[in-house]
Amino acid sequence: QLQLQESGPGLVKPSETLSLTCSVSGGAISGSHVYWGWIRQPPGKGLEWIGTLHFSGSMNYNPSLRSRVTMSVQTSRSQFSLHLTSVTAADTAIYYCVREFRTAIWNRGNARFDFWSQGTLVTVSS
Amino acid sequence: QSVLTQPPSVSGAPGQRVTISCTGSSSNIGADYDVQWYQQIPGRVPGLLIYSNGDRPSGVPDRFSGSKSGTSASLAISGLQAEDEADYYCQSYDDNFGGYVFGSGTKVIVL
Repeated sequence: QLQLQESGPGLVKPSETLSLTCSVSGGAISGSHVYWGWIRQPPGKGLEWIGTLHFSGSMNYNPSLRSRVTMSVQTSRSQFSLHLTSVTAADTAIYYCVREFRTAIWNRGNARFDFWSQGTLVTVSS
Repeated sequence: QSVLTQPPSVSGAPGQRVTISCTGSSSNIGADYDVQWYQQIPGRVPGLLIYSNGDRPSGVPDRFSGSKSGTSASLAISGLQAEDEADYYCQSYDDNFGGYVFGSGTKVIVL
């Protein structure tokens, strides 16, 4: 069974960079029909897609976060990472790493997030 | 404000049928993009409940069903059970936004 586990600091100071890593086990990170990504959820609020990337390097970011987000994949370690710069209190949220599965790899319209990590709360505070 | 609109809450007695609407537009659901539904039980991780408008992952009871028509989608829960009390989110892709969008979520209350 595929498992995702994120790691990283739970407290980040305002204006600094939030960095998280997700480790994938029980399945290949280099699958042809899968992307890997991040979704966040502010406490008591709804879900927000941050971005997803393919092991080949193809990636898609939330336009509202694009200027601050960088994602990368480390295939040899079965890991992928998120970096979010210049954080503010509005970035306080539970961050989930997810697998995005596409029936047809070229078609974002049929994508679903079928595996989720347990989530980690990242608080932005001085 | 979410691109996909859901009612804040719906309620029903055990055994009843409830439906949750997800209203979009021509740039998402109406553009023939698939709709997914996720269930988030309080304090738990969201889980995929319905994909490709109406398909269920293995292990999801057939009490849950999804449909899509035009620019809207619906999730129906029949034979409502206490364990169905949770938040439900719809999700699709949006051309104007240029990425994946979620509905604002609907809390299902079992009376």
